[in-house]
Amino acid sequence: QVQLVESGGGVVQPGRSLRLSCAASGFTFSDYGMHWVRQGPGKGLEWVAVVSYDGSNKYYANSVMGRFTISRDNSENTLSLHMNRLRTEDTAVYYCVKGLGSCGGARCATRGDWGQGTLVTVSS
Amino acid sequence: DIQMTQSPSSLSASVGDRVTITCQASQDISNSVNWYQQNPGKAPRLLIYDASNLETGVPPRFSGSGSGTDFTLTISSLQPEDIATYYCQQYENLLLSFGGGTKVEI
Repeated sequence: QVQLVESGGGVVQPGRSLRLSCAASGFTFSDYGMHWVRQGPGKGLEWVAVVSYDGSNKYYANSVMGRFTISRDNSENTLSLHMNRLRTEDTAVYYCVKGLGSCGGARCATRGDWGQGTLVTVSS
Repeated sequence: DIQMTQSPSSLSASVGDRVTITCQASQDISNSVNWYQQNPGKAPRLLIYDASNLETGVPPRFSGSGSGTDFTLTISSLQPEDIATYYCQQYENLLLSFGGGTKVEI
């Protein structure tokens, strides 16, 4: 079955960087687009970024554009999120979410395949 | 970007009550809507996909309806284990977006 395991969260000072990883298994990782979704403490769900199956297309939420970079290594079945110039408002649980298809076109639906999340706390 | 306006933000109901949560999209999104249930400290759980299709393993008291801009999640007979926060989500384009959530209490 699909397994998505996030790692890399922790406490970091404002302005610093952090890299999150998501280890995927149970499916052919290189066939599917992938998303990052986050949830601040006591807040709702916020979409962060998406990458197509081959890494050629990437899109970002306005709130992270220019600071975060989504990437993937299909040889290692790993999704990454490089977060630079972190702000206190980036504090959240970050979830890795599998797309329904390749996400090489205009849509990238999700279904029930979410990781358990990793907590990022940005604080001085 | 497509905005999803979800209401109410919270509700209190009794066991056995019929509960309805609505979501309105800022533009026509056909039937590109998921509904998720989330308990504290847990990842969201998919209930409904493509606006009205029940995910495997989800009790049939949950149902979804709507198309275009207006969508509804209905719990036909609220059970104690349904206490959670519910979110709608659109996937009409690559930039996903979520409703603000509805906290259901008994």
